[in-house]
Amino acid sequence: DGGITQSPKYLFRKEGQNVTLSCEQNLNHDAMYWYRQDPGQGLRLIYYSQIVNDFQKGDIAEGYSVSREKKESFPLTVTSAQKNPTAFYLCASSSGTPGADDEQFFGPGTRLTVL
Amino acid sequence: AQSVTQPDIHITVSEGASLELRCNYSYGATPYLFWYVQSPGQGLQLLLKYFSGDTLVQGIKGFEAEFKRSQSSFNLRKPSVHWSDAAEYFCAVGGAINTGTASKLTFGTGTRLQVTL
Repeated sequence: DGGITQSPKYLFRKEGQNVTLSCEQNLNHDAMYWYRQDPGQGLRLIYYSQIVNDFQKGDIAEGYSVSREKKESFPLTVTSAQKNPTAFYLCASSSGTPGADDEQFFGPGTRLTVL
Repeated sequence: AQSVTQPDIHITVSEGASLELRCNYSYGATPYLFWYVQSPGQGLQLLLKYFSGDTLVQGIKGFEAEFKRSQSSFNLRKPSVHWSDAAEYFCAVGGAINTGTASKLTFGTGTRLQVTL
């Protein structure tokens, strides 16, 4: 079955540590996205990538970094510079057909808690 | 800048009653509009989407939404709610980022639906 997987489901981190969240898709999608979800705030875009070896900052990129070395993978690193990293993180992908209907498919999410 | 407003944070309906969740958007061109549903601790599932054409859109699980350009609205409706519909619902507006392949979505803050038996 095609889809998006995120791991781990739950992640605990001590202050000052970097952590990396995994996102893999087997939908053959060009575009991938990372969102952060906080209660009452909806989803906010952290980073997105339109193609391998290319990525762009979203609305709240400070304290985060990404890479896109393979089409199917888009890992997110939450660095120690992120002031309030405790949140639910969602990865998404879309086919990236320019100008046509294009929906984003979401993974199950990773809940990060800073201790 | 694009934005989405979901004015109702929390709605409670009885099972079997009709449902309407409100969504208003701001977008500089013809919008792409979406409704997603999220169960607690889960990812988002697409209910329906509007890109062009017929302004009444049918989705999964018996949901529909109507695009009203004059009111900048895209309200979600269901004629008879089931207990399993209890979840959080997100409206989103978006379009292509420049001429690239990615699409930028802006989400509303969500409406939590509670269904009483």
